[in-house]
Amino acid sequence: AQKVTQAQTEISVVEKEDVTLDCVYETRDTTYYLFWYKQPPSGELVFLIRRNSFDEQNEISGRYSWNFQKSTSSFNFTITASQVVDSAVYFCALGDYNNNDMRFGAGTRLTVKP
Amino acid sequence: NAGVTQTPKFQVLKTGQSMTLQCAQDMNHEYMSWYRQDPGMGLRLIHYSVGAGITDQGEVPNGYNVSRSTTEDFPLRLLSAAPSQTSVYFCASSYWDPGRANTEAFFGQGTRLTVV
Repeated sequence: AQKVTQAQTEISVVEKEDVTLDCVYETRDTTYYLFWYKQPPSGELVFLIRRNSFDEQNEISGRYSWNFQKSTSSFNFTITASQVVDSAVYFCALGDYNNNDMRFGAGTRLTVKP
Repeated sequence: NAGVTQTPKFQVLKTGQSMTLQCAQDMNHEYMSWYRQDPGMGLRLIHYSVGAGITDQGEVPNGYNVSRSTTEDFPLRLLSAAPSQTSVYFCASSYWDPGRANTEAFFGQGTRLTVV
């Protein structure tokens, strides 16, 4: 069965601190997709990144970076020099290869204090 | 370009009432889906569709019906509302290509439903 675990329910940091959000997944598939979405206080879901299971290269986008490790079934998300605007709930999701279904983790609420 | 539009944004129902949550997208996406978001549980898939005339069940389909008569619209019907269906509902659409599965999903703004 597919499962995503985001063990950190809430994280609070002070502005400019670095913060890592953990994501551990379970799947029997050899081909799958991993996603991160951001849900700011306004409630919409914003796509951040999509990664397929054959691409373990880490990715950096501005202050955001992602570390994908198949050996530990993890897809962690790091925000460098956090800002107040980064305050949101962040969801990690596992996608099926055969369709567009996604299995979401429970989310991590990040609060960045000024 | 409106993207994915959900209506209404808020709704209060009495137990036993029925209603339809509307979802429309203007991106010509084949794939559309409905999720519900509950505290501490993330988003869970209710129903999905890979094209007009084709629908299938997701993880939590009981109590909900869907239909897909056009590419643009994917309404979600609550047959007889129950308090357990109090949730935030999200509609999503994405490009469907079996050779390039699981593309980015675009989400609507959500519908906050309360069943009393």
